[in-house]
Amino acid sequence: DIQMTQSPSSLSASVGDTVIITCRASQGISNYLAWFQQKPGKAPKSLIYAASSLQSGVPSKFSGSGSGTEFTLTITNLQPEDFATYYCQHYNSFPLTFGPGTIVDFK
Amino acid sequence: DVQLVESGGGLVQPGRSLRLSCTTSGFTFGDYAVSWVRQAPGKGLEWVSFIRSKGYSGTAEYAASVKGRFTISRDDSKSIAYLQMDSLKTEDTAMYYCIRNIRVHGYYYKDVWGKGTAVTVSS
Repeated sequence: DIQMTQSPSSLSASVGDTVIITCRASQGISNYLAWFQQKPGKAPKSLIYAASSLQSGVPSKFSGSGSGTEFTLTITNLQPEDFATYYCQHYNSFPLTFGPGTIVDFK
Repeated sequence: DVQLVESGGGLVQPGRSLRLSCTTSGFTFGDYAVSWVRQAPGKGLEWVSFIRSKGYSGTAEYAASVKGRFTISRDDSKSIAYLQMDSLKTEDTAMYYCIRNIRVHGYYYKDVWGKGTAVTVSS
């Protein structure tokens, strides 16, 4: 099975900051990587697929990059509504696995 | 609007069964694959099961933790996906989400999520 790790596990940031979250796969997954945002008490929301393609309606402040085993999610001009937990997930093969999540909270 | 609405959750004793439903609208259900993902209280996301559209065999995949106990199915005439959960364990306690999947070049990514239905397994 492919294992997914994320770093950092949490980070504190301020409004207007740029944050970068890293996701690593235990083996190469090409670009079959998605990112999700989850706010407390809410269902996850799909942000990015194919490592760098934005889902419909997702603002361009979110961007993804990477291929193979290392990926990043970048959020620019952080706003109050962006404070949430972010998960990566590979879809290269079954079983699908998620990273453990990165909590972005207010400094 | 694309919508997925989960139902059927609740409190159930260990060893018993429960069937979750994912009722969809706003798209041609039969053209899409569907996933179930769960989240135990205070924990991260865990993929549970996946079913392809009938046009791509309609076959299913399962996480090792539920294989042999859970069965995913679909009724394209009703635009509903199901998750039959048998021999439930306390560790199955979680919020269960249904998600539409998009197929591109044989690979599937998630796009729209339902709001979830809560399952509690306890005596």
